[in-house]
Amino acid sequence: EAGVAQSPRYKIIEKRQSVAFWCNPISGHATLYWYQQILGQGPKLLIQFQNNGVVDDSQLPKDRFSAERLKGVDSTLKIQPAKLEDSAVYLCASSLVPGRSDTQYFGPGTRLTVL
Amino acid sequence: LAKTTQPISMDSYEGQEVNITCSHNNIATNDYITWYQQFPSQGPRFIIQGYKTKVTNEVASLFIPADRKSSTLSLPRVSLSDTAVYYCLVGDMVGAAGNKLTFGGGTRVLVKP
Repeated sequence: EAGVAQSPRYKIIEKRQSVAFWCNPISGHATLYWYQQILGQGPKLLIQFQNNGVVDDSQLPKDRFSAERLKGVDSTLKIQPAKLEDSAVYLCASSLVPGRSDTQYFGPGTRLTVL
Repeated sequence: LAKTTQPISMDSYEGQEVNITCSHNNIATNDYITWYQQFPSQGPRFIIQGYKTKVTNEVASLFIPADRKSSTLSLPRVSLSDTAVYYCLVGDMVGAAGNKLTFGGGTRVLVKP
């Protein structure tokens, strides 16, 4: 079974630029999550989708971050404009059922560096 | 919202058993306890999940006392490749908005030769 795919793996941008990350979850997984992981910290949930609807985006900085999951499959996370503090690894995860404690399968992440 | 507390780091040697205890004093009735492992430059990986008593799989055991206010992940006979960060999470199966599944800081386990 193919895992969660993410691209790009690495991205370097300057502050105030825009950036987008892409995630393809495991086939058949209804729930998709985006996390932000700052160096030395645990992952922080940014947004959770159930199919193509948002379940929780309470920790998403909506003034600069946006995410969508069209057709309930792939998802993109965008930052516009980026700030220095956005430097982190952005992890995408998916799970089969909507339960928060259902096993989440994580992708390799996208490491973003904002200069 | 059940918050978890884990030791920041632990050192061990190859072949030893490693036990990591997680405190979750405010665990709710519907909450399950899940542990993830994360290697550098990789996303977290599911290890084990339990609700009460003891759960064992091919890589670890999870011990949960009757009051469920803590849990202990046990890694038998660790090897160098078990060096990683281990996260304890508490959350329910419903997935209702507002009940965030929160990763804490994790426990950095270093296995020495």
